[in-house]
Amino acid sequence: EVQVLESGGGLVQPGGSLRLSCAASGFTFSSYAMTWVRQAPGKGLECISTITDSGGSTYYADSVKGRFTISRDNSKNTLYLQMNSLRADDTAVYYCAKDSSSGWRNFDYWGQGTLVTVSS
Amino acid sequence: DIQMTQSPSSLSASVGDRVTITCRASQTISIYLNWYQQKPGKAPKLLIYAASSLQSGVPSRFSGSGSGTDFTLTISSLQPEDFATYYCQQSFRSPRTFGQGTKVEIK
Repeated sequence: EVQVLESGGGLVQPGGSLRLSCAASGFTFSSYAMTWVRQAPGKGLECISTITDSGGSTYYADSVKGRFTISRDNSKNTLYLQMNSLRADDTAVYYCAKDSSSGWRNFDYWGQGTLVTVSS
Repeated sequence: DIQMTQSPSSLSASVGDRVTITCRASQTISIYLNWYQQKPGKAPKLLIYAASSLQSGVPSRFSGSGSGTDFTLTISSLQPEDFATYYCQQSFRSPRTFGQGTKVEIK
């Protein structure tokens, strides 16, 4: 059974840092691109960062570019998101999502999400 | 970035109704269009990919159509478990942008 499980969320002050993790199981992690998607309270979905299967290429939304860093450890089947210089508008539920094998770049499995709250 | 616009933003319907949600892309995206369902407090769930392909395990009352810039999600006979928010997403070009969502509520 495919599972992705996020952790690391919590309350952080503006300007602070947080590292999210996403543990994957039930599939060959090293064969799939992975993406972090966030959802601010009561709002829609935003893809903020993607990393290719090998980790050799990354993408960032303008809203997080220069502040967030995506990485992965294929030996540990784990995806990471290092978040620095956090702002109030980064408050959201953060989901990790697996690219499907269909080739159509959709997300076929999602974690349950981890809440990040940026507040003083 | 490619902008995705859904309509309506919300709708009220009864069990058994036929429901249609539309999604328009700001530029052509071929059939790189996906639909997700999200229930409160839960992660989104993939329903339809490549505009009209049903994801494994998704009931056949869900269907999708369209190409280019205009797309439709149809629920042929609304069931109690279908009350949720639905999002379209383009995967033609990064960033993979979502529509703003359509909330389907009970009439």
